[in-house]
Amino acid sequence: EPEVTQTPSHQVTQMGQEVILRCVPISNHLYFYWYRQILGQKVEFLVSFYNNEISEKSEIFDDQFSVERPDGSNFTLKIRSTKLEDSAMYFCASSEQTLIGYTFGSGTRLTVV
Amino acid sequence: KQEVTQIPAALSVPEGENLVLNCSFTDSAIYNLQWFRQDPGKGLTSLLLIQSSQREQTSGRLNASLDKSSGRSTLYIAASQPGDSATYLCAEAGKSTFGDGTTLTVKP
Repeated sequence: EPEVTQTPSHQVTQMGQEVILRCVPISNHLYFYWYRQILGQKVEFLVSFYNNEISEKSEIFDDQFSVERPDGSNFTLKIRSTKLEDSAMYFCASSEQTLIGYTFGSGTRLTVV
Repeated sequence: KQEVTQIPAALSVPEGENLVLNCSFTDSAIYNLQWFRQDPGKGLTSLLLIQSSQREQTSGRLNASLDKSSGRSTLYIAASQPGDSATYLCAEAGKSTFGDGTTLTVKP
């Protein structure tokens, strides 16, 4: 069964550093999403992406965040200057069409120290 | 803005029991509803997707229903097993809204 692949599975970074989280969505999917989950808290929406542009973003997704689809297969989330409170699991998801349902990756655990 | 609520927040049952998890949403114009399972420290696994034209979906021991008029969806788990222990989440499919989840513990 097709999968959404995320790398790395765990990343530790120092506060203030830039990180790039990578995702390979399912190949025929057109809609891409990033979510985060702080330990013990709910899954929070960050951003959705379609046709090479952001279609929706939450208030969490401020200027320190950016997304990119650098080629035909990868979808990345960049955090420019990490803060301690950015420590969380970051999930990528993709869907074939909007409102049809999505497939999640297994996540990247980001630890900011 | 769609608000999704799940009750109970936690549920503990003995093995073999049938159980129901509830998901409520505020906007009856919901398009689809998706149920997920999350194991501790892991990603989200899609269980069932109910499209707006459907009232229910079944997969093995799982049955999910959708009642748009009342703003509710339920996930029914038959003959629960210890391996069903996880957090169950509902969300409006393809949208940004997730419930807080119900953490299920099935005791052997």
